[in-house]
Amino acid sequence: AQSVTQLDSQVPVFEEAPVELRCNYSSSVSVYLFWYVQYPNQGLQLLLKYLSGSTLVKGINGFEAEFNKSQTSFHLRKPSVHISDTAEYFCAVSESRGGSNYKLTFGKGTLLTVNP
Amino acid sequence: GAGVSQSPSNKVTEKGKDVELRCDPISGHTALYWYRQRLGQGLEFLIYFQGNSAPDKSGLPSDRFSAERTGESVSTLTIQRTQQEDSAVYLCASSPNLWLGGTSYGYTFGSGTRLTVV
Repeated sequence: AQSVTQLDSQVPVFEEAPVELRCNYSSSVSVYLFWYVQYPNQGLQLLLKYLSGSTLVKGINGFEAEFNKSQTSFHLRKPSVHISDTAEYFCAVSESRGGSNYKLTFGKGTLLTVNP
Repeated sequence: GAGVSQSPSNKVTEKGKDVELRCDPISGHTALYWYRQRLGQGLEFLIYFQGNSAPDKSGLPSDRFSAERTGESVSTLTIQRTQQEDSAVYLCASSPNLWLGGTSYGYTFGSGTRLTVV
């Protein structure tokens, strides 16, 4: 079984500052990794995903994440945030193959608050 | 449809009553999921449907919870004799045929049903 740990439940930053949201995972098999964003009163929207290949993945809205297999991490970064980036961010993992490769396991989320 | 549609968006019910939540997936998406999101928690897997295969019900928290889906169409999640701990946002998601690549497609989520049991 997989598990996901998002190390920070809340991250406040000022507008135009860089931000990193941390995610570590645990799995005994190879994995796919995802970041989702949830704006207030909305469902989750896929930001980016790592399936294979280049460990640096770029997503929508200027976000990127780096897969680090040795550290079992998949941290999300943005060099300059906007007020509109205020939302909850969820890291998720699934098996890349095998009988349970349909199931996403989510972290508890990180609330990013961007202040003017 | 253009996205995953869930109804109702909000539901307030009295403890002990039954509730039914509906999910209409993206047309052509064969996989459908229900997750529960409690306040301050991550998403908790409830159930998975893939076409006509037997569903994975391993995440249903008790026998008060059940879900149905006919073919690749609408799904309903039913909670009987609701309890206050059932209060949460119930999220539905759909995905293309997983036999083509597992979760590599990611999921498309609906906006959820916020259930409040009073």
